[in-house]
Amino acid sequence: SQTIHQWPATLVQPVGSPLSLECTVEGTSNPNLYWYRQAAGRGLQLLFYSVGIGQISSEVPQNLSASRPQDRQFILSSKKLLLSDSGFYLCAWSVGGAGSSEQYFGPGTRLTVT
Amino acid sequence: DQQVKQNSPSLSVQEGRISILNCDYTNSMFDYFLWYKKYPAEGPTFLISISSIKDKNEDGRFTVFLNKSAKHLSLHIVPSQPGDSAVYFCAAEKGGSEKLVFGKGTKLTVNP
Repeated sequence: SQTIHQWPATLVQPVGSPLSLECTVEGTSNPNLYWYRQAAGRGLQLLFYSVGIGQISSEVPQNLSASRPQDRQFILSSKKLLLSDSGFYLCAWSVGGAGSSEQYFGPGTRLTVT
Repeated sequence: DQQVKQNSPSLSVQEGRISILNCDYTNSMFDYFLWYKKYPAEGPTFLISISSIKDKNEDGRFTVFLNKSAKHLSLHIVPSQPGDSAVYFCAAEKGGSEKLVFGKGTKLTVNP
């Protein structure tokens, strides 16, 4: 069966510090991978989307970047965090090339920028 | 521009009764719709989906209805249980784009 892991679970970082959140998927090959953010009182906003290694689509302009160095690894980064980067970050995967299909989410990372 | 709208931020029902969660969308290109359930500090869990070629899909206690002419879908939970208490997100996908657009969620509370 497929599993998705995210770490860390919680993170408190000062403004201006760097960020690296990691997501890995097991039990599937060539998945589509996604990074979402859920800000307080808001829905899920798609940040980045990847259909393969090195292929990243950015959905909204922001202070963050994403990379996919391996097929089942997706990393969310920032060189300098802003207060507005606080939120709940979720990684998700779906079956690649399947057209319409469900996305499956990881447990999330709660980021607080102070 | 919010393409997927869940206009009720919260809903409270009694255990054993029906819960009806509503969702409206504006983009007529959406052709696949999903419902997710989310507990605090956890990732959303997929519940049920429906393609635009159908108007109903059922899975146990959960049924999703789609009214394409009204651009409206709803999730029915019968009977409701206290463990159903969570935030429910509606999501929509456009033509195999493999990207979902989410509503802001409805917090369901099922009272024993």
